[in-house]
Amino acid sequence: NAGVTQTPKFRILKIGQSMTLQCAQDMNHNYMYWYRQDPGMGLKLIYYSVGAGITDKGEVPNGYNVSRSTTEDFPLRLELAAPSQTSVYFCASSIAHEQYFGPGTRLTVT
Amino acid sequence: AQKVTQAQTEISVVEKEDVTLDCVYETRDTTYYLFWYKQPPSGELVFLIRRNSFDEQNEISGRYSWNFQKSTSSFNFTITASQVVDSAVYFCALSEASAGANNLFFGTGTRLTVIP
Repeated sequence: NAGVTQTPKFRILKIGQSMTLQCAQDMNHNYMYWYRQDPGMGLKLIYYSVGAGITDKGEVPNGYNVSRSTTEDFPLRLELAAPSQTSVYFCASSIAHEQYFGPGTRLTVT
Repeated sequence: AQKVTQAQTEISVVEKEDVTLDCVYETRDTTYYLFWYKQPPSGELVFLIRRNSFDEQNEISGRYSWNFQKSTSSFNFTITASQVVDSAVYFCALSEASAGANNLFFGTGTRLTVIP
């Protein structure tokens, strides 16, 4: 099993550009999550999904959108990138209250 | 509202010393789960332990041990005979059963530096 995979690993965006962070898991987990980690801080929940076709906002959803068309994939969309979205983004999936994290995507918006 | 506090921002110890990382949590749920994660310099998150609210037994895994005390809402993590490879940021996290989707709420982390 590859576990949770994320692409890209690094990305630099200009202000106002858009992009999609990809996340996939091969463990057949229903629950998936997107977190962001700002420097020196813990992770904060952006969006989560309890199954294909079902998504909901977390603590810091503004500026992001998600979709969940399949169990495996949970992409995160940034429509108009802002410097405040410079962060490391982690995707996770879970079963039985145990979350498995991807390696992260480091995003810089300048 | 749920909250996780890790008051120690940074700790430095000399190799082979013992070190305890503190975690205090707040929740109104009676059923919840507590976690510790390790984030080494490479950046990935490594799961260390999960404890549910009904199990207050302390746990030991090699050089790692965890002390869960509901009376003080604490879930502290001790590393015995620390090693340089233990240098990392350690996060405590809480998941409430009422959240429905196993969402995790993280503390701000403690950066541990083990000096050789």
